[in-house]
Amino acid sequence: AQKVTQAQTEISVVEKEDVTLDCVYETRDTTYYLFWYKQPPSGELVFLIRRNSFDEQNEISGRYSWNFQKSTSSFNFTITASQVVDSAVYFCALSEAGAGGTSYGKLTFGQGTILTVHP
Amino acid sequence: EADIYQTPRYLVIGTGKKITLECSQTMGHDKMYWYQQDPGMELHLIHYSYGVNSTEKGDLSSESTVSRIRTEHFPLTLESARPSHTSQYLCASSERGAYSPLHFGNGTRLTVT
Repeated sequence: AQKVTQAQTEISVVEKEDVTLDCVYETRDTTYYLFWYKQPPSGELVFLIRRNSFDEQNEISGRYSWNFQKSTSSFNFTITASQVVDSAVYFCALSEAGAGGTSYGKLTFGQGTILTVHP
Repeated sequence: EADIYQTPRYLVIGTGKKITLECSQTMGHDKMYWYQQDPGMELHLIHYSYGVNSTEKGDLSSESTVSRIRTEHFPLTLESARPSHTSQYLCASSERGAYSPLHFGNGTRLTVT
């Protein structure tokens, strides 16, 4: 069965600090997809990034970067020069392709990490 | 920008009442999902649908039921609400299979007294 672990329950930083959110996953599928979502206080989960299991290239988008390492089953998320608006709950999630790619796209979420950025 | 809507946003209701949480999307997505989010933040899949007239139970057992008569509409019903049903309920949709990101609504925060 698939599993996602976010060991950091809460992180508190001061504005402009860099912060890394950890994510470790377990799956038996060779084809799978990893996601990061942000949940601000308004409650809606916002999609940030997707990675497939065959693409280990790191990605940078503005102040956000993601480090995917299959060898350690990790998909970590770094925010550079954090801002107060980054305060939210962040979720890592995994979706397995299933046999013949027939998965219905069910996501398994990690426990979430509460990030608080202080001014 | 995702177009998926949930109503009501907040609901406080007494034990034993029947409630329906509404979820609609305007993107024509075949796949829709209901997640229950604990106060401790964890999200658990309780129902999903891969098209009209198809519904399946998710990983977390739930006393709620769902229906999918139209592509755009995926309501969730509790026949008799109990305090243990107090939670946030999030509806989502996706375009295709495992690689498609989910688009979420704002959620319904349900409190059963």
